[in-house]
Amino acid sequence: GENVEQHPSTLSVQEGDSAVIKCTYSDSASNYFPWYKQELGKRPQLIIDIRSNVGEKKDQRIAVTLNKTAKHFSLHITETQPEDSAVYFCAATDTDKLIFGTGTRLQVFP
Amino acid sequence: GAVVSQHPSWVICKSGTSVKIECRSLDFQATTMFWYRQFPKQSLMLMATSNEGSKATYEQGVEKDKFLINHASLTLSTLTVTSAHPEDSSFYICSARRGSTIYFGEGSWLTVV
Repeated sequence: GENVEQHPSTLSVQEGDSAVIKCTYSDSASNYFPWYKQELGKRPQLIIDIRSNVGEKKDQRIAVTLNKTAKHFSLHITETQPEDSAVYFCAATDTDKLIFGTGTRLQVFP
Repeated sequence: GAVVSQHPSWVICKSGTSVKIECRSLDFQATTMFWYRQFPKQSLMLMATSNEGSKATYEQGVEKDKFLINHASLTLSTLTVTSAHPEDSSFYICSARRGSTIYFGEGSWLTVV
């Protein structure tokens, strides 16, 4: 089955800097790669996703890149703000059954 | 508004008792729903796939007799934690797909005392 690894587990940046979170997956059949932001005790919130027929996708300050050959995908947040502080999860799937990465706790310091 | 609704949001039960958590798809039919468990400061771990009208498919290591899943209608899946123990205390959350997007319920905090 699918296995997703995520790094780093914690990331601290200064406000205005960029943050990059990386994930690798094992199943070449996976074709959908969403990223979620989760605040304590709440449901994961989809922030961006990418499908395997696309190499990069951008939405304002957030971008995701996908390298199918290497089986890795990354989340890029530019001009970080304190409200970006949260736990971020990547996931991969070829169906609707999401396999999540281990999570990254992002702290943005003012 | 919410697309997938979960109830209850939190529940406390005594050790040895059973507790049921409901997951509803609002305004759409979901033949498949998914149940996840999340321990504090950990990731979401897939427990099982809930299939409308048939048996659930459990992930490796998840006890099907302990975590009973019923998907009797196209809009409702239930997860029953039987003979709950303190180690079952966790955040349980469901998901379903509408169109091209996967939606999560609000999640249910279970505390077993």
